[in-house]
Amino acid sequence: DARVTQTPRHKVTEMGQEVTMRCQPILGHNTVFWYRQTMMQGLELLAYFRNRAPLDDSGMPKDRFSAEMPDATLATLKIQPSEPRDSAVYFCASGLPPLAWTYNEQFFGPGTRLTVL
Amino acid sequence: DQQVKQNSPSLSVQEGRISILNCDYTNSMFDYFLWYKKYPAEGPTFLISISSIKDKNEDGRFTVFLNKSAKHLSLHIVPSQPGDSAVYFCAASRRGSSGDKLTFGTGTRLAVRP
Repeated sequence: DARVTQTPRHKVTEMGQEVTMRCQPILGHNTVFWYRQTMMQGLELLAYFRNRAPLDDSGMPKDRFSAEMPDATLATLKIQPSEPRDSAVYFCASGLPPLAWTYNEQFFGPGTRLTVL
Repeated sequence: DQQVKQNSPSLSVQEGRISILNCDYTNSMFDYFLWYKKYPAEGPTFLISISSIKDKNEDGRFTVFLNKSAKHLSLHIVPSQPGDSAVYFCAASRRGSSGDKLTFGTGTRLAVRP
């Protein structure tokens, strides 16, 4: 059955190291979102893409985070250098654009739990 | 600036009783609201939604109520079941150029006691 996949599921790294998280959206979905879940902020939108083009990355710390879609089946989120405050669960979601008076559901992957020591 | 707020981090309810989860928002431009449910080690899944042109939407045991004047919405689950134990996120959207951008609250952890 169609689902969003994310790798790795868990990542433990040391401060200063580069971290790359990957996401495979559901086939046919042309909108991809990256979220970060923390206790204090809940689910924060970091960036999102439509047809592989970035639409909004205002939620992302620009100096260390970068998000790309090399092709329609792969989205990446990189942190370089990583810091302990980046420790969180990172979710990818995919969906289709909303119609006029409805909202198309976002389908979430299982998340990548990142721990930066 | 938390535009969507869920002021109760947790809620405990007896099986069979009603669960009421609350959500407040500050941005009057929001016109579509959703609830997502999240189990441990899984991503959130869509539960129910409501457009700002309605004040109630029902789907089985789940009902969402919207009070636009108070900028408040609530999710009612009746009767509550142990399988409903999860974290519930309220989310809001503003249609238009950023129509699919969601702003989430911090979540409420619901525990349904057998």
